[in-house]
Amino acid sequence: ETGVTQSPTHLIKTRGQQVTLRCSSQSGHNTVSWYQQALGQGPQFIFQYYREEENGRGNFPPRFSGLQFPNYSSELNVNALELDDSALYLCASSPLAGGLYNEQFFGPGTRLTVL
Amino acid sequence: DQQVKQNSPSLSVQEGRISILNCDYTNSMFDYFLWYKKYPAEGPTFLISISSIKDKNEDGRFTVFLNKSAKHLSLHIVPSQPGDSAVYFCAAIFRGAQKLVFGQGTRLTINP
Repeated sequence: ETGVTQSPTHLIKTRGQQVTLRCSSQSGHNTVSWYQQALGQGPQFIFQYYREEENGRGNFPPRFSGLQFPNYSSELNVNALELDDSALYLCASSPLAGGLYNEQFFGPGTRLTVL
Repeated sequence: DQQVKQNSPSLSVQEGRISILNCDYTNSMFDYFLWYKKYPAEGPTFLISISSIKDKNEDGRFTVFLNKSAKHLSLHIVPSQPGDSAVYFCAAIFRGAQKLVFGQGTRLTINP
């Protein structure tokens, strides 16, 4: 069974650019959540995707957007990058949305540096 | 608004002794709590959880205690081992919500 994978591992961008991060969910999982972890902080929820639609969003501006594909993989897109967007971006997959608590399995993350 | 707080950024414990990591929360709607462990260059890994209807949950060397009146939970690791050295995150969620709310993390170092 393959776990959650993310690409790329590291990325360096400059202010104003756009970036796309990718996530492949664990086999059998249909829900993907994205988190931003700034240095010295805990992960913060960006949004969740279920059945290719956004299913909840945290306190992030619209320039953070996402997609989920029929195979449940997902992308996180960030437009007009700012210096404060420098962080570790974590993807987590879980078996289903709603109901009781569904354990979220995290990928290793993508380290984004904005210069 | 930090709804989940881990006030100790770091903790150093001797191998074989007990490690106690603490977490406080402010939102009384949280009804499920989790601890995650994170090694460098890896994503957080689920460790143990507790429902708000319980006050204790045990899994091997790991025990989580929940004090709802104080809005406080703690993770006990006994005995501590060198492989336990990692960053530990406390997280909370409430029924029907989509997001985990994390604390800032505590870096645990187990000294031989």
